[in-house]
Amino acid sequence: AQSVTQPDIHITVSEGASLELRCNYSYGATPYLFWYVQSPGQGLQLLLKYFSGDTLVQGIKGFEAEFKRSQSSFNLRKPSVHWSDAAEYFCAVGAPQGGSEKLVFGKGTKLTVNP
Amino acid sequence: DTGVSQDPRHKITKRGQNVTFRCDPISEHNRLYWYRQTLGQGPEFLTYFQNEAQLEKSRLLSDRFSAERPKGSFSTLEIQRTEQGDSAMYLCASSERGGRGETQYFGPGTRLLVL
Repeated sequence: AQSVTQPDIHITVSEGASLELRCNYSYGATPYLFWYVQSPGQGLQLLLKYFSGDTLVQGIKGFEAEFKRSQSSFNLRKPSVHWSDAAEYFCAVGAPQGGSEKLVFGKGTKLTVNP
Repeated sequence: DTGVSQDPRHKITKRGQNVTFRCDPISEHNRLYWYRQTLGQGPEFLTYFQNEAQLEKSRLLSDRFSAERPKGSFSTLEIQRTEQGDSAMYLCASSERGGRGETQYFGPGTRLLVL
């Protein structure tokens, strides 16, 4: 069965510092990988996705992620964090099963940004 | 394009009551998904529709849950005889056709509290 692990439940960084959020997946075939962000009380917004091609993917709000097949990882990075980036971040794998294309999510990493 | 909308945004009910949530997908999106998110967890897949046909239901979707998508437009999710364990955020998402790696766009969610 497909699964996603986000090892860090909570991360705190200072504004302007760099950020890396970890994501490891388990999936038998070529994965489709996503990062979503959720602000308090809100739905999820897509930051970026990977399904083929260049393993370094650029997203919105200055985020990028790198797919590493050998490590089964899809870590999210940002060179300089802004206070508005404080939110919860979810990694997900697209799991085409019976045509559903349902997403399997990790448990999320909550990001706190200190001034 | 106004995005995916959900109504109500918040619902408080007493155990044993029935509740119904509505989701309006992005116009002309054929796929519609329901997910449930409990505190401290990522969203979990419940069910999905291709146009008006409900094609898959998760084991999480007990007999007390029913979802419909008449005419392939909006969808409703009904929970009968609510239990405290049903307290969660219910998220709706839509995608254009359901192709592999296709982006799912999420609504703001309906937060349910069962007392």
